[in-house]
Amino acid sequence: NAGVTQTPKFRILKIGQSMTLQCTQDMNHNYMYWYRQDPGMGLKLIYYSVGAGITDKGEVPNGYNVSRSTTEDFPLRLELAAPSQTSVYFCASSSRVGQSEAFFGQGTRLTVV
Amino acid sequence: KNEVEQSPQNLTAQEGEFITINCSYSVGISALHWLQQHPGGGIVSLFMLSSGKKKHGRLIATINIQEKHSSLHITASHPRDSAVYICAVRFNFGNEKLTFGTGTRLTIIP
Repeated sequence: NAGVTQTPKFRILKIGQSMTLQCTQDMNHNYMYWYRQDPGMGLKLIYYSVGAGITDKGEVPNGYNVSRSTTEDFPLRLELAAPSQTSVYFCASSSRVGQSEAFFGQGTRLTVV
Repeated sequence: KNEVEQSPQNLTAQEGEFITINCSYSVGISALHWLQQHPGGGIVSLFMLSSGKKKHGRLIATINIQEKHSSLHITASHPRDSAVYICAVRFNFGNEKLTFGTGTRLTIIP
């Protein structure tokens, strides 16, 4: 029972580089989310998706892009990485809105230098 | 503004003590989650509740909808309970989004 799987676990990027954070879930969940966690702050929503082909911006979408071509996968793309994107990123999924449990990946610790 | 506040921010206790972590929120919610995050680790869902009380092992979560307040209790605390505990709520008019508290860092000393 894999749940939500994120890769990579750690990454160091140089300013201006690009990368994709991978997220996949095997629970057939419709809802998927990307969050970032900065020291001393609550998790902030970057983007979310309510099903394949449907994505929407969260609180802090600037500098990121997402796609949702399948139910299982929800990759997060960073274009032109900046030091402000140094953070820990979490992918999560849930079966529906409201009364359902949220499942989180193990996180990706990203440093932009 | 939809807000979630947790207290205390940091808590250190001796092994065996009864622990209480509090979460309060500003407006009506459809659900409240308690999450656990170990150092360097991922986030695990402990409870999801919309009313009353839930218990799992030594963990108990309660919610008072009228007072917009929830508590997470740990009985007979153990060093392995040391972690950050995060409260997150789904506001009634926040559609699919969870709003997170900043977490309570719990350290249990043997």
